[in-house]
Amino acid sequence: DAMVIQNPRYQVTQFGKPVTLSCSQTLNHNVMYWYQQKSSQAPKLLFHYYDKDFNNEADTPDNFQSRRPNTSFCFLDIRSPGLGDAAMYLCATSRDARSTDTQYFGPGTRLTVL
Amino acid sequence: AQSVSQHNHHVILSEAASLELGCNYSYGGTVNLFWYVQYPGQHLQLLLKYFSGDPLVKGIKGFEAEFIKSKFSFNLRKPSVQWSDTAEYFCAVTSYNNNDMRFGAGTRLTVKP
Repeated sequence: DAMVIQNPRYQVTQFGKPVTLSCSQTLNHNVMYWYQQKSSQAPKLLFHYYDKDFNNEADTPDNFQSRRPNTSFCFLDIRSPGLGDAAMYLCATSRDARSTDTQYFGPGTRLTVL
Repeated sequence: AQSVSQHNHHVILSEAASLELGCNYSYGGTVNLFWYVQYPGQHLQLLLKYFSGDPLVKGIKGFEAEFIKSKFSFNLRKPSVQWSDTAEYFCAVTSYNNNDMRFGAGTRLTVKP
């Protein structure tokens, strides 16, 4: 089945130790998104790629970076995780960047920062 | 900036009860509205969406939602819930010319058998 896959499902890192979260898709969608969801809060968009074009949300901290080496894969890099970065990280895709396009979500990676 | 409010954090119902989950958004222009559901241990998936036409939208699994423009609302309804509807429900909005999706904080629904 076509889907959005996130690895790992659970990630533990130490304060200040760089960490990379991975997302892959078999939908061949043009757009890939990263969201941060803290406990009992709404998912918050960090950034997205339309093909190779990177679009950063204005309030996304510089500590968060992303790479999209090809259509299928997108990575979230947290350069120096702080305790406040502990959250669920959701990857999503959409066929195009139209505002009516459905976004398809992966299962998320839960990040713990010790 | 757009925002989405979901009034209830946790709703508990018995099977066969009717469901209505509230969603209000703050944005003056044309919007597209979505309801997503997240079953325990699973990913977010689309229940239904509205972007034009009939303001009463029918989705999967017997859910429907009504867009009331004057009230900036897009409430989710189901006439008779089942135990399998236990999940978290998220309302989301995009504006007419921007695919950045803004989510509400979610409503956790527990259906007791």
